[in-house]
Amino acid sequence: EAQLMESGGGLVQPGGSLRLSCVASEFTFNSYNMNWVRQAPGKGLEWVSYISSSSNTIYYADSVKGRFTISRDNAKNSLYLQMSSLRAEDTAVYYCSGTFDIWGQGTMVTVSS
Amino acid sequence: QTVVTQEPSLTVSPGGTVTLTCASSTGAVTSGYYPNWFQQKPGQAPRALIYDTTNKHSWTPARFSGSLLGGKAALTLSGVQPEDEADYYCLLYFGGFRMFGGGTKLTVL
Repeated sequence: EAQLMESGGGLVQPGGSLRLSCVASEFTFNSYNMNWVRQAPGKGLEWVSYISSSSNTIYYADSVKGRFTISRDNAKNSLYLQMSSLRAEDTAVYYCSGTFDIWGQGTMVTVSS
Repeated sequence: QTVVTQEPSLTVSPGGTVTLTCASSTGAVTSGYYPNWFQQKPGQAPRALIYDTTNKHSWTPARFSGSLLGGKAALTLSGVQPEDEADYYCLLYFGGFRMFGGGTKLTVL
């Protein structure tokens, strides 16, 4: 069964940085376009970023552009999200998803002093 | 600023039929927006139901179907089961960008 597992979440102060990771198993990661999606507590889903299978194409939501960087390492079956200049409104569960049909269980990021 | 709009809440009786819709502030939703639908239950990750307007995943129950209806994307549940009570989200593609709707809380009562 295809699986994704996120890690790297935690508590960080406003203005701080955090790097999320997502490891894939039981599917051909290097052929999948990948996304990060987040969900603030009690709120709906928000698309954050997209990276193509070969890393040639990258997109960001306006809310994170210039602060977040998506990347991947196909040799390690891994997806990353480098987050900087974090704000309280970035507090959310962050999910990685493969073409939106495979989802991880999420990792919680809390931005608070 | 583009907004994707869903009904905030709907209620349906067990065995009934309900249609959820997904509208775009940019105009009529077409197949070119590649509408996707997801189900999310409390404490769980989203689960994909429909992609590219009408296509079901291998795990999608037959009672779920996707379509275009009156300029919107639509998700129809026929023969609703108690376990269908959940939040439902649509996703539209705007070129390279993706945007979720605000979600519909479906109550089966």
